Amino acid sequence: SYELTQPPSVSVSPGQTARITCSGDALPKQYGYWYQQKPGQAPVLVIYKDSERPSGIPERFSGSSSGTTVTLTISGVQTEDEADYYCQSPDSSGTRVFGGGTKLTVL
Amino acid sequence: QVQLQESGPGLVKPSETLSLTCTVSGGSISGYYWSWIRQPPGKGLEWIAYISYTGSTNYNPSLKSRVTISVDTSKNQFSLRLRSVTAADTAVYYCARDTDFDYWGQGTLVTVSS
Repeated sequence: SYELTQPPSVSVSPGQTARITCSGDALPKQYGYWYQQKPGQAPVLVIYKDSERPSGIPERFSGSSSGTTVTLTISGVQTEDEADYYCQSPDSSGTRVFGGGTKLTVL
Repeated sequence: QVQLQESGPGLVKPSETLSLTCTVSGGSISGYYWSWIRQPPGKGLEWIAYISYTGSTNYNPSLKSRVTISVDTSKNQFSLRLRSVTAADTAVYYCARDTDFDYWGQGTLVTVSS
């Protein structure tokens, strides 16, 4: 079955830049999406269609795509950005697939 | 502002059927696809299925044999049925608007236990 691979954890200091990657063979042909999930809360869409930012999401969140990898970049990380981040993308049959999630720790 | 709300039993016995409904408010269910997603305690997100307002469906292959998703446009609702549940089906179940998953319900914890 199709898989999206994320690093289990990323750590950064406040004010630094955090980059979270997501790799999958179908990503050159399918859009990637990113969600932020804080404890006890539903996920929130932070990036859609590889690099688009929904209204209300801070400009420090950005997305990019290159080959089989999509990347979520958080510039000038703030303590409130500490959360789990999940990528999502459909496979060739339209089945939605989530990555395993990345825990972002702001030291 | 579109809002989604899951409803259904919080406790289901092993081998029985889990049934949940998602009510969409603040917008029409028409014109969109709608999904169910679950998250076991302490684990990641797992997509279960989607349905369009016209009734077109797609299922996670790992769950397809046990899952049925349906839609009732007159009530602005869509529903999930998961048969023959086990403890491994214990999770927070979310409904969300597909394809972007831009709107989510708050989630409902369903525990499978006798």
